[in-house]
Amino acid sequence: AQTVTQSQPEMSVQEAETVTLSCTYDTSESNYYLFWYKQPPSRQMILVIRQEAYKQQNATENRFSVNFQKAAKSFSLKISDSQLGDTAMYFCAFMKRGGGSNYKLTFGKGTLLTVNP
Amino acid sequence: DAGVTQSPTHLIKTRGQHVTLRCSPISGHKSVSWYQQVLGQGPQFIFQYYEKEERGRGNFPDRFSARQFPNYSSELNVNALLLGDSALYLCASSFPFRTGVNTEAFFGQGTRLTVV
Repeated sequence: AQTVTQSQPEMSVQEAETVTLSCTYDTSESNYYLFWYKQPPSRQMILVIRQEAYKQQNATENRFSVNFQKAAKSFSLKISDSQLGDTAMYFCAFMKRGGGSNYKLTFGKGTLLTVNP
Repeated sequence: DAGVTQSPTHLIKTRGQHVTLRCSPISGHKSVSWYQQVLGQGPQFIFQYYEKEERGRGNFPDRFSARQFPNYSSELNVNALLLGDSALYLCASSFPFRTGVNTEAFFGQGTRLTVV
């Protein structure tokens, strides 16, 4: 079974600054995906960024980038130039890669990020 | 195109009652998954359905059941409700997960269930 741990229940950052959210995971799988999801007060879970474990290059999406350390089983999210709209709950999630029709995401407990003006 | 739609958005039930939650996936999506999110926690996987068949089940009691219809919409049923079933229930849809190909899961806004 996979586990995902987010050790920072809450974080805050000033607008325009950079913040890093931490995530570690445990798995015996060699092929998998890692995700960061954002859940604003509207409750809708939105994909922020995805990393395929077999790719060594860290994923980036505009102001969002990850630091993926496979050996250490670490997957942190860096948000640059933080904006007020980034205020949300952020979840790290794991999914096993493979054939078939299974699609199970294992989520961490989340980090509440507040961006202050 | 409409996103994933869930109904109702809020629901209050009494202990022991039964509840049915509904989900309509994005047009063309054939896979639907259900998650339970208790306040202050991350979502927990309940079920995944693809082509009307159960393809995965999380660690939930038999009081939880689901089904998928020919139009790929889905229902989650919970019998004999307990106070601990109070949670946000999220539905996610995606394309079939083919070998070596990952597809994004698109989530609905959820149904907030309160059991009193």
